[in-house]
Amino acid sequence: NAGVTQTPKFQVLKTGQSMTLQCAQDMNHEYMSWYRQDPGMGLRLIHYSVGAGITDQGEVPNGYNVSRSTTEDFPLRLLSAAPSQTSVYFCASKGGLAGNTGELFFGEGSRLTVL
Amino acid sequence: AQKITQTQPGMFVQEKEAVTLDCTYDTSDPSYGLFWYKQPSSGEMIFLIYQGSYDQQNATEGRYSLNFQKARKSANLVISASQLGDSAMYFCAMREKGGSKAGNNRKLIWGLGTSLAVNP
Repeated sequence: NAGVTQTPKFQVLKTGQSMTLQCAQDMNHEYMSWYRQDPGMGLRLIHYSVGAGITDQGEVPNGYNVSRSTTEDFPLRLLSAAPSQTSVYFCASKGGLAGNTGELFFGEGSRLTVL
Repeated sequence: AQKITQTQPGMFVQEKEAVTLDCTYDTSDPSYGLFWYKQPSSGEMIFLIYQGSYDQQNATEGRYSLNFQKARKSANLVISASQLGDSAMYFCAMREKGGSKAGNNRKLIWGLGTSLAVNP
């Protein structure tokens, strides 16, 4: 069972470079999201999507773009990387069935360093 | 204001003993859910247990149980018979189910976590 797959697992960028973190899930989940995790800050929501074609901002959306053209994929784009974006990024999805506790299923994380 | 508070940055427990990890929350929404996740050193986030605000009984999942005290707004995680593999970060999170904007009822609010070390 693949679940939520994130790529790449590690990436080093120079300031100003752009990149895309890929996220795919094979559980037919409507809801997908991106978090960043920083020491002492916990997990913070960047962007989320409640279905194909629908995206919305979370707590810390600046510097990031997302799109949701299919149910399965939810890429996160950094248009011009900054050192402040050095972090561990998690993609997470959730099903919407009635009675479901609604727990998030997480990818393994992507560690990004911006020099 | 912090909506989820985990007051113990680090905890130690002897193998085979029980340990309680604290979590207090703040919400005015009568309908909410509380979650605990485990993050081992490998980095992945693993769902452990869920408690709904209207659930009559405390949630249990194997060695994990949730001590839910609604009036005190606390949702402490109890791990019984600790194992070395329980050494990890543990995060408490809350999902408020109100809100008029689509998707608002699906956002999680996270605590800063408690680091648990199980000693042999």
